Amino acid sequence: KNEVEQSPQNLTAQEGEFITINCSYSVGISALHWLQQHPGGGIVSLFMLSSGKKKHGRLIATINIQEKHSSLHITASHPRDSAVYICAVSKGGSRLTFGEGTQLTVNP
Amino acid sequence: EAGVAQSPRYKIIEKRQSVAFWCNPISGHATLYWYQQILGQGPKLLIQFQNNGVVDDSQLPKDRFSAERLKGVDSTLKIQPAKLEDSAVYLCASSVSDGPNYGYTFGSGTRLTVV
Repeated sequence: KNEVEQSPQNLTAQEGEFITINCSYSVGISALHWLQQHPGGGIVSLFMLSSGKKKHGRLIATINIQEKHSSLHITASHPRDSAVYICAVSKGGSRLTFGEGTQLTVNP
Repeated sequence: EAGVAQSPRYKIIEKRQSVAFWCNPISGHATLYWYQQILGQGPKLLIQFQNNGVVDDSQLPKDRFSAERLKGVDSTLKIQPAKLEDSAVYLCASSVSDGPNYGYTFGSGTRLTVV
């Protein structure tokens, strides 16, 4: 069993919809990261959080340490949000353990 | 601030050939990582450097993979000889230091296809 599990694996939405991607982890962590990967491979760091909630534009990330669960929300989704969203955790040092990613497709 | 630079962006080689990838991290970032991402999977750490020393290479297939960061700045990752299963995106990332609260910056990756 992976230490970091994401759901769903694939998600298709219509433009404007509210989107939620979930991440569960089974180990003690010092921080959780949400990353975005576009076709071509480059990865962009969206959020790093260890408690509570962070918001950046239309993106919101929350974490519940007791339940070992985090969610990434996208409000008013747009086709340019189409990408793979990856949850990753650090367990003490800075090395990350990654989930397998959620492929999001937003149709116009 | 310049990002993490990687080259080449794409490489196609035949099995049993050799290949090398290059990474230039963000200036001042002491920690450098090489990750392997096979299609449809999350990245897997191959090696972590702190300055020019290796912190973690436990998942590096040392019979065919090698990496160095001689002056604590640029790094190269080499595969010799390549196998079909090495086809993947090789990602370089850097952070200020090795700690849980430092953000990551990733390069654009090198997509390797072994035929």
